[in-house]
Amino acid sequence: GENVEQHPSTLSVQEGDSAVIKCTYSDSASNYFPWYKQELGKGPQLIIDIRSNVGEKKDQRIAVTLNKTAKHFSLHITETQPEDSAVYFCAAPVRGGATNKLIFGTGTLLAVQP
Amino acid sequence: EAQVTQNPRYLITVTGKKLTVTCSQNMNHEYMSWYRQDPGLGLRQIYYSMNVEVTDKGDVPEGYKVSRKEKRNFPLILESPSPNQTSLYFCASSSLPGTSGGADTQYFGPGTRLTVL
Repeated sequence: GENVEQHPSTLSVQEGDSAVIKCTYSDSASNYFPWYKQELGKGPQLIIDIRSNVGEKKDQRIAVTLNKTAKHFSLHITETQPEDSAVYFCAAPVRGGATNKLIFGTGTLLAVQP
Repeated sequence: EAQVTQNPRYLITVTGKKLTVTCSQNMNHEYMSWYRQDPGLGLRQIYYSMNVEVTDKGDVPEGYKVSRKEKRNFPLILESPSPNQTSLYFCASSSLPGTSGGADTQYFGPGTRLTVL
């Protein structure tokens, strides 16, 4: 079955710096890779996703890159701001998405220091 | 407003006392799921449902039950809670996969923090 590993578990950056979180997955049939942001006291919320037919996707200050050969994908946040502080989860689908089941990484606590 | 709601948000109970956590969504989603979140373990799926009367086990189903009698509701039932079920629980919903070419966005509720003494 699918296995997702996420690194680092904690990340502290200065405001304005970039942050990068990396995930690896095991199932070569996986075709959808979302990133969720969880703020304190709230449920995870999708911030960006990428499908396997593209290598990079951007949305303002956030971007996701995908390397299908190496089976890893990364979240990039540029010009970080204090409101970016949260826990970030990557995920990958089981059985290529046939059941919509996602396997989540263990999360990265991002702290942006003002 | 499109949302997933859960009740209660916080619950402290004792071992063996049956409890139900409700989950409701107003987006007409076919797919609903329950997760538990524990430090260092991320989000692990407990049960999921592809549609009314269709449920299946996730990765950590032991000690839990679910039902899907209506499309909008997906309650999580703990028949005899134990301390190892102390956790943060999330309900999520989404459209069925395939409607947009693969697994679809999951929308999460605000969470229920359960403590079993």
